[in-house]
Amino acid sequence: DQQVKQNSPSLSVQEGRISILNCDYTNSMFDYFLWYKKYPAEGPTFLISISSIKDKNEDGRFTVFLNKSAKHLSLHIVPSQPGDSAVYFCAASGGNTPLVFGKGTRLSVIA
Amino acid sequence: DARVTQTPRDKVTEMGQEVTMRCQPILGHNTVFWYRQTMMQGLELLAYFRNRAPLDDSGMPKDRFSAEMPDATLATLKIQPSEPRDSAVYFCASGLSSAAGTQYFGPGTRLLVL
Repeated sequence: DQQVKQNSPSLSVQEGRISILNCDYTNSMFDYFLWYKKYPAEGPTFLISISSIKDKNEDGRFTVFLNKSAKHLSLHIVPSQPGDSAVYFCAASGGNTPLVFGKGTRLSVIA
Repeated sequence: DARVTQTPRDKVTEMGQEVTMRCQPILGHNTVFWYRQTMMQGLELLAYFRNRAPLDDSGMPKDRFSAEMPDATLATLKIQPSEPRDSAVYFCASGLSSAAGTQYFGPGTRLLVL
């Protein structure tokens, strides 16, 4: 039973446009959410996080939105750059339980 | 520049052989995680430790996998005997205090069992 779902395995976006990556979760106990970025042959790196007490967190070109009632979060990248091409993992946790990761979405930013 | 290191980076072995993967967490981090990445399952948590004590290894096949932290600077993941279905990328990650907090990943060990 997947508690964190990234339903789009891949996404292609033109350079300069907005990339929107989506993530849904089923566990209402989750209260902390993170996005990780992964390049080939490297480990995932932390990108941005959000606590359930907020509905938006912004860091430069990256913004994460949280809709608790829909159990949905999204990562917006504006403007998208070719260097953003990577696999993006959504992760969630509740209380002091370990992170649960989605299966990832491969983003391709086309120049 | 503090980072998690993993060795070996690549390992090819034959079915039935023992495989040992090593991880050096970031100095000062007291929580260590082992993950396996496959195409089908994404990132699966195999086991994690806090202050060198195993807290959860329910994600590991118990009959063939074992994870230990001989000291605060070394975590090991062993597979004995290895099977072709164990072929995957294995990541180690470390963090501070909370299992739910930000984790810092190593570069991974790519394992191929023939």
